[in-house]
Amino acid sequence: DTAVSQTPKYLVTQMGNDKSIKCEQNLGHDTMYWYKQDSKKFLKIMFSYNNKELIINETVPNRFSPKSPDKAHLNLHINSLELGDSAVYFCASSRSTPGDLFSSYNEQFFGPGTRLTVL
Amino acid sequence: GNSVTQMEGPVTLSEEAFLTINCTYTATGYPSLFWYVQYPGEGLQLLLKATKADDKGSNKGFEATYRKETTSFHLEKGSVQVSDSAVYFCVSWGGFKTIFGAGTRLFVKA
Repeated sequence: DTAVSQTPKYLVTQMGNDKSIKCEQNLGHDTMYWYKQDSKKFLKIMFSYNNKELIINETVPNRFSPKSPDKAHLNLHINSLELGDSAVYFCASSRSTPGDLFSSYNEQFFGPGTRLTVL
Repeated sequence: GNSVTQMEGPVTLSEEAFLTINCTYTATGYPSLFWYVQYPGEGLQLLLKATKADDKGSNKGFEATYRKETTSFHLEKGSVQVSDSAVYFCVSWGGFKTIFGAGTRLFVKA
């Protein structure tokens, strides 16, 4: 019954490795997001996809690559992990207004987060 | 550009105390404003919202009023409980962008 789910919940890995985080939503939403939350709880949007198309790509190293196989999934792949990538990563989803994206705000539903620790 | 500024935490209160968490925004035009709450170990949840000036959002005993003249959206609760301990985020949406404040951590002691 979980609306937005992420796996894994915890991820501990070595510097230089490649890892993926998966996100799935069962709300029928068209838009999905990835956020990074640092140790001070500051939340920063990384990517947003609408109907499997990338619509927001903030200044994020190209080691981060989102992939959306369908509307219900948005995965995040990270290459060559660095110490500074340690954070909690949140996936979120929302409805969108067809034909006029973001013309009205739609509540974002967040997943439980994935705590990534790079050693 | 648009921005959201919240009071720095942590805020520590005793149970049944009055809570205010200040939030001010800068924006072109009139954004919609929200408070999200993040309980320990969980993702963010929408707490309340206001979409135009003088609107008051309320939920679970929390309130916030959209004040255009002071560009503020302060969160208040008359009597906090231990279960209110969480991080609170003030958020604005406008100009097709969602802007999150830095978050304010609230600790409520029994």
